[in-house]
Amino acid sequence: DTAVSQTPKYLVTQMGNDKSIKCEQNLGHDTMYWYKQDSKKFLKIMFSYNNKELIINETVPNRFSPKSPDKAHLNLHINSLELGDSAVYFCASSQVVAGGPVWTQYFGPGTRLLVL
Amino acid sequence: AQSVTQLGSHVSVSEGALVLLRCNYSSSVPPYLFWYVQYPNQGLQLLLKYTSAATLVKGINGFEAEFKKSETSFHLTKPSAHMSDAAEYFCAVSGGNEKLTFGTGTRLTIIP
Repeated sequence: DTAVSQTPKYLVTQMGNDKSIKCEQNLGHDTMYWYKQDSKKFLKIMFSYNNKELIINETVPNRFSPKSPDKAHLNLHINSLELGDSAVYFCASSQVVAGGPVWTQYFGPGTRLLVL
Repeated sequence: AQSVTQLGSHVSVSEGALVLLRCNYSSSVPPYLFWYVQYPNQGLQLLLKYTSAATLVKGINGFEAEFKKSETSFHLTKPSAHMSDAAEYFCAVSGGNEKLTFGTGTRLTIIP
């Protein structure tokens, strides 16, 4: 059973297009994240949602818009794609335990986006 | 604010030799520290984590890491490298909120 899944796995598109990446987790977690990994493998958080509410929004262009229809899904929509958006996008999820140890984030397999 | 520095973007060791991957952290609050592994074309998998309990943390695949507050370090070790350990390794820190800050990664190559 896949814990955190992403679709599509690969995405090749032209500059200026709009595209979406979907993420689903079946772990029952209440928090989900989007990360961007650039060509040098550097990973940086973009967004985090807890129970469908945005809790982390790093300095990301407003062309990127996350949407969480329910706590098991967090989709990423990107408008007007640019060359610099080419990267691997990872979804992750975790469960916050009140008063407990810090949570572990579980990652999806990634979506490799190439903008031409 | 939290940050991590991974010394050495590439590390090569012979099969059967000791693996040592270095991570130093900076944190304004007691840190939570993690090591993740990324195999080629895959997502990240948690190796181990430090959450203020035992300072020596054992993880999967024979890896362990020791939290040293005086040195602000959380180095990853494995006594005997295996070919299957070849991957990218990421150290990460959290200040107790939802935000994980990753290091730049260390690519581990195993020499047969």
